[in-house]
Amino acid sequence: AQKVTQAQTEISVVEKEDVTLDCVYETRDTTYYLFWYKQPPSGELVFLIRRNSFDEQNEISGRYSWNFQKSTSSFNFTITASQVVDSAVYFCALSESNYGGSQGNLIFGKGTKLSVKP
Amino acid sequence: DGGITQSPKYLFRKEGQNVTLSCEQNLNHDAMYWYRQDPGQGLRLIYYSQIVNDFQKGDIAEGYSVSREKKESFPLTVTSAQKNPTAFYLCASSIFIRDRGLSAFFGQGTRLTVV
Repeated sequence: AQKVTQAQTEISVVEKEDVTLDCVYETRDTTYYLFWYKQPPSGELVFLIRRNSFDEQNEISGRYSWNFQKSTSSFNFTITASQVVDSAVYFCALSESNYGGSQGNLIFGKGTKLSVKP
Repeated sequence: DGGITQSPKYLFRKEGQNVTLSCEQNLNHDAMYWYRQDPGQGLRLIYYSQIVNDFQKGDIAEGYSVSREKKESFPLTVTSAQKNPTAFYLCASSIFIRDRGLSAFFGQGTRLTVV
């Protein structure tokens, strides 16, 4: 069965600190997709990144970086030099997907609430 | 602009009433989903549909019903059988592209309150 665990319920940092949000997943499939979404107070889910299970390259986008390690079933998200605007709830999600085209559902972790204080 | 539109943004329901939440997408996606979000609970899957005229129960389908008569539309009805319907509801759609994988997009959500 699929499962996503975000062990950190809430994190509070001071502006300019680096912060890492942890995500551990469970799946029996060899082909799957991992996602990070940001949910600001307004409520909409903002897509941040998608990573395919066959692509273990880490990715950097500005102040954001993601570390995907299949050996530990983890997909951690780091914000460098955090800013107040980074304050939000961040969700990690997993989807198993048949390569032939059928689509798996997105299974979410419970989210990590990040508060960045000035 | 392409996207997913949920309406209304806020909805109030009296106890014992059924209410329907609208979700429309113009992304030409086959799959659509409804999630419920409660504080501290993350997002839980209510129903999903991978093709027109077909849908499946998710983890918390009791007290909810859906229909998928058109590819673009996936309305969710919260029935009086749902004992604790106050929550934030998110609709999503997805598409699987060969060699690129799954892409999923979300609406802006409907906040339902029972009064």
